[in-house]
Amino acid sequence: GAVVSQHPSRVICKSGTSVKIECRSLDFQATTMFWYRQFPKQSLMLMATSNEGSKATYEQGVEKDKFLINHASLTLSTLTVTSAHPEDSSFYICSALDSPEQYFGPGTRLTVT
Amino acid sequence: AQSVSQHNHHVILSEAASLELGCNYSYGGTVNLFWYVQYPGQHLQLLLKYFSGDPLVKGIKGFEAEFIKSKFSFNLRKPSVQWSDTAEYFCAVKTGGYNKLIFGAGTRLAVHP
Repeated sequence: GAVVSQHPSRVICKSGTSVKIECRSLDFQATTMFWYRQFPKQSLMLMATSNEGSKATYEQGVEKDKFLINHASLTLSTLTVTSAHPEDSSFYICSALDSPEQYFGPGTRLTVT
Repeated sequence: AQSVSQHNHHVILSEAASLELGCNYSYGGTVNLFWYVQYPGQHLQLLLKYFSGDPLVKGIKGFEAEFIKSKFSFNLRKPSVQWSDTAEYFCAVKTGGYNKLIFGAGTRLAVHP
């Protein structure tokens, strides 16, 4: 099946710094990718839909200036958490659409100290 | 707004017991339905999906699910669980031609040998 990778798998950063997370579709092209956030023992919450070559669509309540999404190619989307704070610590998961299915990456554990 | 409810948050079973996990959604139109599994430390994997046709869907690893439109339900079943089925299970819905998935809260299944 289709494979989606994320990098890094785990990152620790200091409060106030920015962190970039990459999501790649390895064996297919994805015009649409999704970014989710998963809190401990909770479900995946969709943050935004990333569309290649255009602006991302953010879900209600998600700060677009804080969570910058760039989808510059058909195989790569990036999520940058700007000016990270401890409350941004979470598990971030991306998925790539190979219609009609979504394929999920392994996730990135972000810890902000 | 569309929502997905998973009634069992935590299920504990012995090996060989039968499993049924409930999933209900709120949306009156056309839906695509999914069950995903997340094994400890691994990424989300698709167990099975329903798009149309036979409402009884068979997936991987002996799982099946039945779509009952009148009950807005898509319950997951397995006749005999194994220790290796210990994981978290997520029901998800895609509605109205949109690509984004709405996830339930998840059910954590623990199977004891």
